[in-house]
Amino acid sequence: NAGVTQTPKFQVLKTGQSMTLQCAQDMNHEYMSWYRQDPGMGLRLIHYSVGAGITDQGEVPNGYNVSRSTTEDFPLRLLSAAPSQTSVYFCATTWGSEQYFGPGTRLTVT
Amino acid sequence: KQEVTQIPAALSVPEGENLVLNCSFTDSAIYNLQWFRQDPGKGLTSLLLIQSSQREQTSGRLNASLDKSSGRSTLYIAASQPGDSATYLCAVRGSSNTGKLIFGQGTTLQVKP
Repeated sequence: NAGVTQTPKFQVLKTGQSMTLQCAQDMNHEYMSWYRQDPGMGLRLIHYSVGAGITDQGEVPNGYNVSRSTTEDFPLRLLSAAPSQTSVYFCATTWGSEQYFGPGTRLTVT
Repeated sequence: KQEVTQIPAALSVPEGENLVLNCSFTDSAIYNLQWFRQDPGKGLTSLLLIQSSQREQTSGRLNASLDKSSGRSTLYIAASQPGDSATYLCAVRGSSNTGKLIFGQGTTLQVKP
């Protein structure tokens, strides 16, 4: 049982490039979410999904797209990266009242 | 809009001290509150979860309390150890089990040997 996995661990992008951050879970949890963590600001919710085919916006959704075609996968897409998207990104699942976090992806946009 | 604040932002104590980390929230209509630990460069590990109907939870040397009416939670760490050095975050969940988690900024703790 790997829990929540994220790839890549590190990524450097140039402004305007696109990429997809991958998140996968093997716990069959319906609820998944993406957060970004910036210094001094805690974690902020980007997008979340309550099940396959259903997604919704969180607190800071601009510049990010998500889709949820399967229960296991919840990718986060940056269509045109900006320096303001430099951050650490965490994927998480929710089961009952508990949250389970992945190890994070550290993204730098130059 | 729910806001969560953690004070202090950083704390340094000698080994063996008992210490308290504070978390306050502006909207008392919460479903639960959770304390997490984050080691440098790592993800978050859940430490304690307090449901809105509970007053406290304990796990080993950790004790978390919740006072919904005043919008406060504390995390008490007894007999601190260098291995407790990490960032501690609290997060509140809105009014249902699928409500969003709102995080505080975290308190970075250093326990000196």
